[in-house]
Amino acid sequence: QKEVEQNSGPLSVPEGAIASLNCTYSDRGSQSFFWYRQYSGKSPELIMFIYSNGDKEDGRFTAQLNKASQYVSLLIRDSQPSDSATYLCAVFFGNEKLTFGTGTRLTIIP
Amino acid sequence: NAGVMQNPRHLVRRRGQEARLRCSPMKGHSHVYWYRQLPEEGLKFMVYLQKENIIDESGMPKERFSAEFPKEGPSILRIQQVVRGDSAAYFCASSPQGRGGNTIYFGEGSWLTVV
Repeated sequence: QKEVEQNSGPLSVPEGAIASLNCTYSDRGSQSFFWYRQYSGKSPELIMFIYSNGDKEDGRFTAQLNKASQYVSLLIRDSQPSDSATYLCAVFFGNEKLTFGTGTRLTIIP
Repeated sequence: NAGVMQNPRHLVRRRGQEARLRCSPMKGHSHVYWYRQLPEEGLKFMVYLQKENIIDESGMPKERFSAEFPKEGPSILRIQQVVRGDSAAYFCASSPQGRGGNTIYFGEGSWLTVV
């Protein structure tokens, strides 16, 4: 059973600080990794994707991938109250099925 | 509107009725995925389709659920004889290709309530 694991939280971070979200996955052969943001009652919204080891930055967001450790993370710099949401890690396993973790609920404290 | 379109957005059905959820993928996308999200739970994969083909239905319940993506028209997720446990948000997503490496984009979702 291919799995994606996330700490469900809640994770509370002061406004302006860095929020760090973590995810591990079970299949060493996985090649594609995604972070989605989901507000309550809304659909998932793609934030970032990463395919190669290392860091990928997009504005206040940085995705980090370490395939040897089967670990992917998302850093949110200068956290804003509007960043309060559930963050979903997703991995494309070889069978072409995008599998999601259960999500980490993030709360930014003003 | 270039996004993934789902309808209806909200649907109420009595136990034993049928629910039909429709999804039109983004323009240029030929791959459709359906996911279900129960209250306070994560997204669970249900089925992956291409035009006229079911590629992976490993997440579909064995009974009462079916999906199709005809050559013309939207993808349909059909739930027969609904029960209260079917109450959930059903999300459709699409991608230009099926293989990993192509991002998938979600529609706004269809919220099914069974009373």
